[in-house]
Amino acid sequence: DVKVTQSSRYLVKRTGEKVFLECVQDMDHENMFWYRQDPGLGLRLIYFSYDVKMKEKGDIPEGYSVSREKKERFSLILESASTNQTSMYLCASSSPTGGSNQPQHFGDGTRLSIL
Amino acid sequence: GEDVEQSLFLSVREGDSSVINCTYTDSSSTYLYWYKQEPGAGLQLLTYIFSNMDMKQDQRLTVLLNKKDKHLSLRIADTQTGDSAIYFCAERITGGGNKLTFGTGTQLKVEL
Repeated sequence: DVKVTQSSRYLVKRTGEKVFLECVQDMDHENMFWYRQDPGLGLRLIYFSYDVKMKEKGDIPEGYSVSREKKERFSLILESASTNQTSMYLCASSSPTGGSNQPQHFGDGTRLSIL
Repeated sequence: GEDVEQSLFLSVREGDSSVINCTYTDSSSTYLYWYKQEPGAGLQLLTYIFSNMDMKQDQRLTVLLNKKDKHLSLRIADTQTGDSAIYFCAERITGGGNKLTFGTGTQLKVEL
């Protein structure tokens, strides 16, 4: 089974802090994704990566950056946390599609509160 | 652009069938997915359908796809209390790599 592990289930940080959310997958997947989930808005894509050291902006990248130094690890960085970044953050990974079905597999999420 | 819509809430009695609906706008969808999210957890893939299919059945789950109306539904037969969760539909479009666009999620509540 695919395992996507997010380092923290719950995290509380202060406004202005630099925050790191870590995600590791064990299936040698090329693709990795970071989403945030807010009630009534579903999942919104923040950043994604198709390979080591590659990154692409998603729909809501402002206030975030990412790092992918190793294939199995994808980090989301809040450069200067603000209260409107309080949310549930979900990481996912998948194989390249090649036209076939390659679903995304999700971690359990990190519930981040910015005070 | 892509837009995926779902109703926010659905309440059913245990043993009844549940039907969760989803509409999407991008006609170049290739795969459409249903994910389930239980409280405090991540998303679990339930089932998917390829865009050239009309229907897919998997045990208690039936997925119907109406491409003309861009409408996707998930039917859960004999709904149980363990089916209470948030259900997300998602579409993957041609040329979008493996990016998915998710709906807002439907909170299914199963009552005794």
